Parts: sequence; C-alpha cells; structure tokens
Amino acid sequence: AQKITQTQPGMFVQEKEAVTLDCTYDTSDPSYGLFWYKQPSSGEMIFLIYQGSYDQQNATEGRYSLNFQKARKSANLVISASQLGDSAMYFCAMAPRNQGGKLIFGQGTELSVKP
Amino acid sequence: NAGVTQTPKFQVLKTGQSMTLQCAQDMNHNSMYWYRQDPGMGLRLIYYSASEGTTDKGEVPNGYNVSRLNKREFSLRLESAAPSQTSVYFCASSYSLYSNQPQHFGDGTRLSIL
Repeated sequence: AQKITQTQPGMFVQEKEAVTLDCTYDTSDPSYGLFWYKQPSSGEMIFLIYQGSYDQQNATEGRYSLNFQKARKSANLVISASQLGDSAMYFCAMAPRNQGGKLIFGQGTELSVKP
Repeated sequence: NAGVTQTPKFQVLKTGQSMTLQCAQDMNHNSMYWYRQDPGMGLRLIYYSASEGTTDKGEVPNGYNVSRLNKREFSLRLESAAPSQTSVYFCASSYSLYSNQPQHFGDGTRLSIL
C-alpha cells in the first residue's frame, strides 16, 4: 500500500531554533516525488519543497531543507531559524509515478513557534 | 497573481440540495484536481483531470461529479448533499500529471451540510 506517515501530531520550537518534522513513506514504485506543504491557520496550502526519488542531493529552499534518506524511506523537513510565522500545519505528500503523479498526503504535524 | 481561484469560499447547504464548486487557474496548467480535507486529516483526492477533456476518479469520488469545462476551469458538483460531505474542499493544478510537478492550491471552500 502507498502511504505517508507523520508521527508527530504537534510540535513546539523556540523562535530562532531549528526544527525537524518527520515523514516516512511506503511505496513499491521506484520513481516518485516527495513534497512538503504548509497550511497556516488561514487555511491555504502553500508548496514548500520538492525531492525526487532519483535526486542525489537533498533539496533546499531558503530556510527549508529536506533530509532525504531513501533506504529508510524518510523525507524529513528541516526548518532553520524558526520564525513566529512558521506556526502552521505541515503536510508531507508523495506522488508515485505509477499513480500518475497524484498526491498522497500524510495527516500533518502542527508546529507552534514560541517567542 | 491569481493562481488558483475557488468560489465560493463558504457555503451552507441543507441535506439533499445540490451545488457546484467552481475552480479556475491562470497558470496555463494542464492538470487539475479536487481534494477534500476533513478535521485532523490530510487531503484526499476526489477527482482529477490530467488534461482538458479527461477526468478520472480519485480516492473518494462517491457523491461527486466533475466537469473540465476548458483548460482553465474544473468544477465539482454535489448532486444531493449529505452531512458526510461537510468538509473543506481544495482545488489544485499542476503543469502535468508527472510525479515531479508540484500542485498549486486554491484557498479552499468551507462547505457545511445541515
């Protein structure tokens, strides 16, 4: 079965510190994409970062980086120098190629940044 | 930059009523999607359209129909609304259906069925 698991329902981090949000996935497809989305309290879904299954290097986008460990089937999101505006729900998602690129979402992690 | 626009933003229906959720994108994307998000859960795919003229079922299609009106517009219809369809509905689009293409989302429609 194709599945995304986010084991941390909620997390706290101190402002300016780094935080890692966990994501593990399960697929038999050798080709897939991994995505992270942010959902603030206002409700919109914001694309953050993408990692391809054949990419040799971990993806980075500004303060966001994706710690991709293919053998462990994990794709953790690292946010450096947390800001108050980072408080939101974060969703990990996978798009296996054999699913035609359709996204499978995890249940999300709620991050709260403390001043 | 409009991106993906959904209307309406909020709607309350009575059981058995019908309505259509509208979605339009201005990014010249080929693929479009409808998701629902229930409390404490991630998004689940209802229907998608790989390209203009095609539609396919996703994970939870029962009770819904879709129309890909043209390249820009993809609507979702509830023919006879049920309380179980109370949810937040998101429309999304991407350049293609390949697994390396990020999907861009609208702001969502909050739908309550009484």
